[in-house]
Amino acid sequence: DIQMTQSPSSLSASVGDRVTITCRASQSISSYLNWYQQKPGKAPKLLIYAASSLQSGVPSRFSGSGSGTDFTLTISSLQPEDFATYSCHQSYSTPWTFGQGTKVEIK
Amino acid sequence: QVQLQESGPGLVKPSETLSLICTVSGGSISSYYWNWIRQPPGKGLEWIGYISNSGSTNYNPSLKSRVTISVDTSKNQCSLKLSSVTAADTAVFYCASRYCTNGVCYFNKWGQGTLVTVSS
Repeated sequence: DIQMTQSPSSLSASVGDRVTITCRASQSISSYLNWYQQKPGKAPKLLIYAASSLQSGVPSRFSGSGSGTDFTLTISSLQPEDFATYSCHQSYSTPWTFGQGTKVEIK
Repeated sequence: QVQLQESGPGLVKPSETLSLICTVSGGSISSYYWNWIRQPPGKGLEWIGYISNSGSTNYNPSLKSRVTISVDTSKNQCSLKLSSVTAADTAVFYCASRYCTNGVCYFNKWGQGTLVTVSS
């Protein structure tokens, strides 16, 4: 199985901050990397697919980059509605696997 | 607009079989691959498996011996059965559709999830 490791596990930030979350794969997954946002009690929502493609309807302050084993999700200016947990997901090979999640909290 | 809704018992006894249904509305169940994903309380997401639009299945090896995913096209429903459950199977279970763009696949639609607790 491909292991996905996110860092940090949690972070505290203020509205307007630039936030970066990292996801590392245990082997190369090319650009088969997706990012989801999850709020408490809700289902995950797709933000970014194929490492850097913004899902329709997602604000442009979200961006993704990387390929191979190292990926980042960046929120350019954190908004109140962005406080949530973010998870990466590899679809390079089954079993598809997720990172453990990064919780973004209000500072 | 495709919508997914999970349903099933919220409480299952240890050693019994967990059975859930995902009802698809606003689209044909034959159009997509249907996945089940679970999330234990306070933990990360785990992919359980999928059934394709041709009926083939692919299961997570960690659960393969206990999982069955099937589709009832007449009801536009996908079902999950997980046998011999233990407390470790307590989780929120989601159904999700898989979509692929230029070969990269992702989960584009999710149900709201249903919590299943395994306890006597």
